[in-house]
Amino acid sequence: KQEVTQIPAALSVPEGENLVLNCSFTDSAIYNLQWFRQDPGKGLTSLLLIQSSQREQTSGRLNASLDKSSGRSTLYIAASQPGDSATYLCALPDSSASKIIFGSGTRLSIRP
Amino acid sequence: SAVISQKPSRDICQRGTSLTIQCQVDSQVTMMFWYRQQPGQSLTLIATANQGSEATYESGFVIDKFPISRPNLTFSTLTVSNMSPEDSSIYLCSAYPLEGFSAEAFFGQGTRLTVV
Repeated sequence: KQEVTQIPAALSVPEGENLVLNCSFTDSAIYNLQWFRQDPGKGLTSLLLIQSSQREQTSGRLNASLDKSSGRSTLYIAASQPGDSATYLCALPDSSASKIIFGSGTRLSIRP
Repeated sequence: SAVISQKPSRDICQRGTSLTIQCQVDSQVTMMFWYRQQPGQSLTLIATANQGSEATYESGFVIDKFPISRPNLTFSTLTVSNMSPEDSSIYLCSAYPLEGFSAEAFFGQGTRLTVV
């Protein structure tokens, strides 16, 4: 059974710093992995999708990497801004491709 | 990417009543999912709704409490029945496009439900 873990649960950094969020999964036989952003009380916004055959994806200041063999993905945020403050979730389809498994999220706060 | 319009965005309801949440997608999708997110928690899957078949419920969720409809490839509803304060949560719908799990999942903006 696939399990997804995100560490740390919360992170606070000053504006301008580069930072890395971590996502671990137990079953390396994955279709893909998706990173989401969630603002308080809101729905989820997709940030990046990495297919199982890819090692990384980039969108603006965001870069997501995938290492299936070690069961890890990282989300790198460059030059952080207060507007980046949100909860970041990673998710991936389970092995039966019947549903998505979510990590518990990292709550990010960028201090001006 | 596709867009889901979810309504209502928030509601305050009396205990014992029911609320129906609607999700309208601007394109045809295969699988739709309904999630609950309790305060400070991650998402918990309630059920999977595929057009033309009964919804598949996760452990701990039953059809009598959370009836779901999926009449076509662009629309689904979730009803929260006989509500209690413990049902106060954010409810989210999501979907995959016709390509399925190889594509991005996308979400509605959520329904913030408060039961008093």
